[in-house]
Amino acid sequence: EVQLVESGGGLVQPGESLRLSCAASGFTFINYYMSWVRQAPGKGLEWVASIKQDGGEKYYVDSVKGRSNISRDNARNSLYLQMNSLRVEDTAVYYCARGFYWSLWGQGTLVTVSS
Amino acid sequence: SSELTQDPGVSVALGQTVRVTCQGDSLRSYYATWYQQKPGQAPLLVIYGKNTRPSGIPDRFSGSSSGNTASLTITGAQAEDEADYYCSSRDSSGDHVVFGGGTKLTVL
Repeated sequence: EVQLVESGGGLVQPGESLRLSCAASGFTFINYYMSWVRQAPGKGLEWVASIKQDGGEKYYVDSVKGRSNISRDNARNSLYLQMNSLRVEDTAVYYCARGFYWSLWGQGTLVTVSS
Repeated sequence: SSELTQDPGVSVALGQTVRVTCQGDSLRSYYATWYQQKPGQAPLLVIYGKNTRPSGIPDRFSGSSSGNTASLTITGAQAEDEADYYCSSRDSSGDHVVFGGGTKLTVL
């Protein structure tokens, strides 16, 4: 089955770190540009970060740049998002999405940043 | 970065045609991409490129663009089309993505 499955979300305190994972299956992962998109509770979608197929180029929204790192392990068919110095405003469901147009999404993992 | 503007809410009678619009400067350079999101679900790609539907998306969904405005048209809206619709596009750098705030479509 073609799917993306996110994990790693949870409740953390402001200033802490978290690493999100996205496991891909059913397709040739190395062929696809991959991204993270988030959605705060009751709010709209926000692009967070993207990475090219070989991991050589990475892009970030300004609000996470410098405290987040998107990476991938093509041998393990996995995408990651390391988030540091987490803020209350990072609270959201984080989705991984496949391709340039995000034709495939995972079910999301909830990150809650609260003291 | 640029911004995309959508009407917060639109309604349509069952079987009628509705247009959901998205405005922004980046749309002069890049096509909009449209996503449908139902409560508790991940977004679903419905239109990308000039006017391309992924496999499985009904042909009642179509996209168009003029100047700084992109539109998603649903011709013959069905009850199952009630959802939030988001537009997105690349920003001026081409490497970043911006979203509209979303439009809640109500089918009456």
